[in-house]
Amino acid sequence: RKEVEQDPGPFNVPEGATVAFNCTYSNSASQSFFWYRQDCRKEPKLLMSVYSSGNEDGRFTAQLNRASQYISLLIRDSKLSDSATYLCVVTNTGGFKTIFGAGTRLFVKA
Amino acid sequence: NAGVMQNPRHLVRRRGQEARLRCSPMKGHSHVYWYRQLPEEGLKFMVYLQKENIIDESGMPKERFSAEFPKEGPSILRIQQVVRGDSAAYFCASSANRGGNEQFFGPGTRLTVL
Repeated sequence: RKEVEQDPGPFNVPEGATVAFNCTYSNSASQSFFWYRQDCRKEPKLLMSVYSSGNEDGRFTAQLNRASQYISLLIRDSKLSDSATYLCVVTNTGGFKTIFGAGTRLFVKA
Repeated sequence: NAGVMQNPRHLVRRRGQEARLRCSPMKGHSHVYWYRQLPEEGLKFMVYLQKENIIDESGMPKERFSAEFPKEGPSILRIQQVVRGDSAAYFCASSANRGGNEQFFGPGTRLTVL
């Protein structure tokens, strides 16, 4: 089993749609959780950190369920510019080994 | 405040040659991470370094690969006797503190082995 698993995608959605990505992790001692975004042939950039209390940043909402070892990202009112690969990221105990999921590709169509 | 810098951006090597990839972290960051990304795949952790120390190299192949982060100068990822399978994008990231903090990524070095 992979340490971090994501929906395989790709997700093809129209502008304005709401889309949700899921991610599970295998190490119950994992410390920190993030969603990164990676555009084609570019470097990953932090989208948002994920907390048990949930957090929201504009159209983006992230949730963490430690009991189920599950992370989610919700994007509301999708824009064309949201088209990218979304990476679920987990930092394990000790805080230095960072595990990236394989990513979920999102295509937002006009 | 300059971001993470990597050079070269593109590197072409023939099989058997050496590849040296350089990474200058963000100003004030002393933690450096190297990742490898194969085409259509996710990023794979390779090594985590602090100044003059390798903290975790569990993702590094046992042979031909080495990394350093000297007291002065950039971090270097060195690949000796490259093979075609080494062709990939190599990303460097830096952070201000150990784990739990945002890692800022450089633009990557795309290595092509002919």
